Amino acid sequence: SQQGEEDPQALSIQEGENATMNCSYKTSINNLQWYRQNSGRGLVHLILIRSNEREKHSGRLRVTLDTSKKSSSLLITASRAADTASYFCAIKLTGGGNKLTFGTGTQLKVEL
Amino acid sequence: DAMVIQNPRYQVTQFGKPVTLSCSQTLNHNVMYWYQQKSSQAPKLLFHYYDKDFNNEADTPDNFQSRRPNTSFCFLDIRSPGLGDAAMYLCATSRGLAGNYNEQFFGPGTRLTVL
Repeated sequence: SQQGEEDPQALSIQEGENATMNCSYKTSINNLQWYRQNSGRGLVHLILIRSNEREKHSGRLRVTLDTSKKSSSLLITASRAADTASYFCAIKLTGGGNKLTFGTGTQLKVEL
Repeated sequence: DAMVIQNPRYQVTQFGKPVTLSCSQTLNHNVMYWYQQKSSQAPKLLFHYYDKDFNNEADTPDNFQSRRPNTSFCFLDIRSPGLGDAAMYLCATSRGLAGNYNEQFFGPGTRLTVL
């Protein structure tokens, strides 16, 4: 499969802790995007990182990309209960048509 | 606020009875997508329109069709729903194509139940 594989599948942490999710893929990419999905809802775009970028920040979010290892990580710092959601990476394959292929997702639960 | 709207939010249909799901956008985006998402799985792209150009994924069943009568609206038609078609259907838009670093904006989804 060319889709991103996310690790861990599920993560449970306490409020205030940091959460790290990883995404690995198998082929070369043009860009990688992270999305959040609250239960039973649509997806919300978080960050886009291009293949020539190594790190991006947005508020409490930090995304890294290592194209040599074909992996990306999403770090949420100082987590809040409202961060409870599923997080998906989505990759644009080089030469793979103009579409995103979504990963399997990480279910994050932040407990009070 | 500019947004992506899906109606209905919940749809119940009978096995084999045609059903249409609708999506509208106020973002004036060129691209509209339909995804199927089953429980605890990744969203799976069914097809997308770039303006009026229709792009079908190779593994999308013939049972699924789409129409985009204008920039704002896009419809998903399921001709003969089977039990395996029960899922969340997500509509998304983007200004341009993924290869040009465009993010996608999603609607809230329509949850389809097939009895």
